Amino acid sequence: NAGVTQTPKFQVLKTGQSMTLQCAQDMNHNSMYWYRQDPGMGLRLIYYSASEGTTDKGEVPNGYNVSRLNKREFSLRLESAAPSQTSVYFCASSEAGGHDQPQHFGDGTRLSIL
Amino acid sequence: GENVEQHPSTLSVQEGDSAVIKCTYSDSASNYFPWYKQELGKGPQLIIDIRSNVGEKKDQRIAVTLNKTAKHFSLHITETQPEDSAVYFCAASNPGGGGNKLTFGTGTQLKVEL
Repeated sequence: NAGVTQTPKFQVLKTGQSMTLQCAQDMNHNSMYWYRQDPGMGLRLIYYSASEGTTDKGEVPNGYNVSRLNKREFSLRLESAAPSQTSVYFCASSEAGGHDQPQHFGDGTRLSIL
Repeated sequence: GENVEQHPSTLSVQEGDSAVIKCTYSDSASNYFPWYKQELGKGPQLIIDIRSNVGEKKDQRIAVTLNKTAKHFSLHITETQPEDSAVYFCAASNPGGGGNKLTFGTGTQLKVEL
């Protein structure tokens, strides 16, 4: 049972470079999410996709774009990376888009921007 | 929007003792409260959740209590073991808007000492 798989696990970028973080889930879940985790700030929602074909902004969407490629995959793109985007990024999924559905997380991508 | 405060930020207990982590939320419409455990280098893992139609839920050594009037909820871990050492996050979610948008607390680093 892979659950939620994120690639890559680690990445170092230079300011201004672009990158796409990949996420795939094998639980046939409808909803997927991208969070960032910074020290002392918990997890903050960047974007989410309630179902295939839909995406919506979360709390901190600036500087990011997302694509729900299909039901399994949800990618996060940094078009022009900035040092403020140095963080750990987590992808999550839930069975449905209801607010009380448990979310299942991947193990994260640790991104450093120099 | 919702705001979740979590205390304490660090907690050290002796093996076998109990640990209690407390969270307060601001939006009275919130009615789903999950707790996550995050081990070093891993993603958050759901350990227990509670919905507002109940005041307490137990799962072996873990219990969660909810006080809707005071808008606070707590995680109780009894007979702590070294493997309970991790960062614990509370979260709150309400049915307003679209998608399952969890608001997380800032985390509690629990250390269980031998």
